[in-house]
Amino acid sequence: EPEVTQTPSHQVTQMGQEVILRCVPISNHLYFYWYRQILGQKVEFLVSFYNNEISEKSEIFDDQFSVERPDGSNFTLKIRSTKLEDSAMYFCASSEVPGTDTQYFGPGTRLTVL
Amino acid sequence: SQQGEEDPQALSIQEGENATMNCSYKTSINNLQWYRQNSGRGLVHLILIRSNEREKHSGRLRVTLDTSKKSSSLLITASRAADTASYFCATPAGNKLTFGGGTRVLVKP
Repeated sequence: EPEVTQTPSHQVTQMGQEVILRCVPISNHLYFYWYRQILGQKVEFLVSFYNNEISEKSEIFDDQFSVERPDGSNFTLKIRSTKLEDSAMYFCASSEVPGTDTQYFGPGTRLTVL
Repeated sequence: SQQGEEDPQALSIQEGENATMNCSYKTSINNLQWYRQNSGRGLVHLILIRSNEREKHSGRLRVTLDTSKKSSSLLITASRAADTASYFCATPAGNKLTFGGGTRVLVKP
């Protein structure tokens, strides 16, 4: 069964460094998302992406964040200058139709900012 | 406003027992979804119930939706140790899903 994959599974970085989290969505899906989950807290929406542009973003998704679909398969989340509070699990998701229907999530990347 | 709040926050049961958890939401929805998350892992989609449906089954899962009360319930029948996980309801709004805080379910063998 097709699934969303994410790399790396765990990323440790120093505060102020740039990180890029990578995702390979399900191949026939057109809508892509990033969410994050701070330890012990809710899963929070960051951004949705369709047709090579952001379709919606949350207040969390400030200028430090960017997303890109550099080729036909990858979808990336870049954090330009990481802060301690960026430490969280980051989930990529994809769907065939817009967000109102089932979204399929990857296993997540645990980001630890020291 | 908080959308999709689960109750209880935690639940401990013996294997073979049923587990019931509830979700309340505030705004109108066209569907409600339930996801499972094993400790430290990704979110697995369990079931989607549309606003014109009152009940839906999938294997040992039974979901109800009461749009008049803005609430949903997830029942896991004949629970197994492998059902130990956190369960989240999620409601769509625009392009995103809004998740509740989840119910942590522990199934003791």
